[in-house]
Amino acid sequence: DARVTQTPRHKVTEMGQEVTMRCQPILGHNTVFWYRQTMMQGLELLAYFRNRAPLDDSGMPKDRFSAEMPDATLATLKIQPSEPRDSAVYFCASGAPESGRASKTQYFGPGTRLLVL
Amino acid sequence: SQQGEEDPQALSIQEGENATMNCSYKTSINNLQWYRQNSGRGLVHLILIRSNEREKHSGRLRVTLDTSKKSSSLLITASRAADTASYFCATDDDNTDKLIFGTGTRLQVFP
Repeated sequence: DARVTQTPRHKVTEMGQEVTMRCQPILGHNTVFWYRQTMMQGLELLAYFRNRAPLDDSGMPKDRFSAEMPDATLATLKIQPSEPRDSAVYFCASGAPESGRASKTQYFGPGTRLLVL
Repeated sequence: SQQGEEDPQALSIQEGENATMNCSYKTSINNLQWYRQNSGRGLVHLILIRSNEREKHSGRLRVTLDTSKKSSSLLITASRAADTASYFCATDDDNTDKLIFGTGTRLQVFP
């Protein structure tokens, strides 16, 4: 049963601390997306990768957020230093390689619920 | 914002009734997808309709697409309490891998 996994599922931290969230995409998928979801802003795309290369991180606050894919099985999203306004649910999603008129369907992980005090 | 608009924002119905949700989008598309999100969970893909299709069915789901009006609707027939969730439409950005998600409709189905 292939699925996207994310760790940790929950994180409570204090303002100023570093937070690292991890994602394992579905094996064979070549696109990875990081989203943030809040009640006020809805679902926001933070960054995405294709074949491990970052293609778009325009939605990400550059001064404190960073996203990487050290290898094809791991994507990370780091916040340093964290702030209370970063409190949200962070989702990772992956997509299969496209062929022809691709569907671009995304498969979401369960999310990391972050609370910054 | 590039987000699509969904209507209504919230919908409450009784089990057995049909639920209809609408989505409007702004740019030309290749495909439109619908996703469901249960409380505290990630989004799950439900159904995809291509720009040259007008209607598609999957079980109790019926999706229509009107590209001239840039709108789509999702109909859930004979709803069940387990259908309680938020539903999002998503359109593709032709030049990238990105999806543009709508703001979502929160559906509550009462037993």
